[in-house]
Amino acid sequence: DSGVTQTPKHLITATGQRVTLRCSPRSGDLSVYWYQQSLDQGLQFLIQYYNGEERAKGNILERFSAQQFPDLHSELNLSSLELGDSALYFCASSQTSRLPNEQFFGPGTRLTVL
Amino acid sequence: DQQVKQNSPSLSVQEGRISILNCDYTNSMFDYFLWYKKYPAEGPTFLISISSIKDKNEDGRFTVFLNKSAKHLSLHIVPSQPGDSAVYFCAASETSYDKVIFGPGTSLSVIP
Repeated sequence: DSGVTQTPKHLITATGQRVTLRCSPRSGDLSVYWYQQSLDQGLQFLIQYYNGEERAKGNILERFSAQQFPDLHSELNLSSLELGDSALYFCASSQTSRLPNEQFFGPGTRLTVL
Repeated sequence: DQQVKQNSPSLSVQEGRISILNCDYTNSMFDYFLWYKKYPAEGPTFLISISSIKDKNEDGRFTVFLNKSAKHLSLHIVPSQPGDSAVYFCAASETSYDKVIFGPGTSLSVIP
């Protein structure tokens, strides 16, 4: 158990809909990262927050957004969903924002868009 | 453009033998490399890392070798155990650039 929790575990929705994925980092970790893993793909970095502020952006679509709240939990919002958005979404946390660092991953949320 | 490549999608090894997982990268600015291991239905877990100032780092049965001139690293597992069966991700980062780039992963099966 990494100490990072993600809800829900599974999500099935239809194209055009909007969903919110939630992540609670390990106690004491200030940085939260979001990754997407599609079929046969590696982990694609989406976005990083540190202590409530956006720190780095990766291959995140404009239809996606995220935020980190004062209690340090984070939410990833996916809107106007398309079939290709079906993937595993992982959240990770770390103590610091600067690399290199060890990131602790949650179990992931499996999103299926029908 | 894939900056971190793991050209073997899968690898099968007999228990007790050596497992060698390979990783190539294209960005010469990468200066820190990590290996993560992932079991089904779980998130990746950190395994071992190496800084570009070293060419080898060892932790128990796991050793990572870095060849900067070839832009290549490898993870050696000796001896391999059935519990090592998992997907292994190679990852690289540039400390001045806050992103970690992951490879597509190699699925290792250790046969008892």
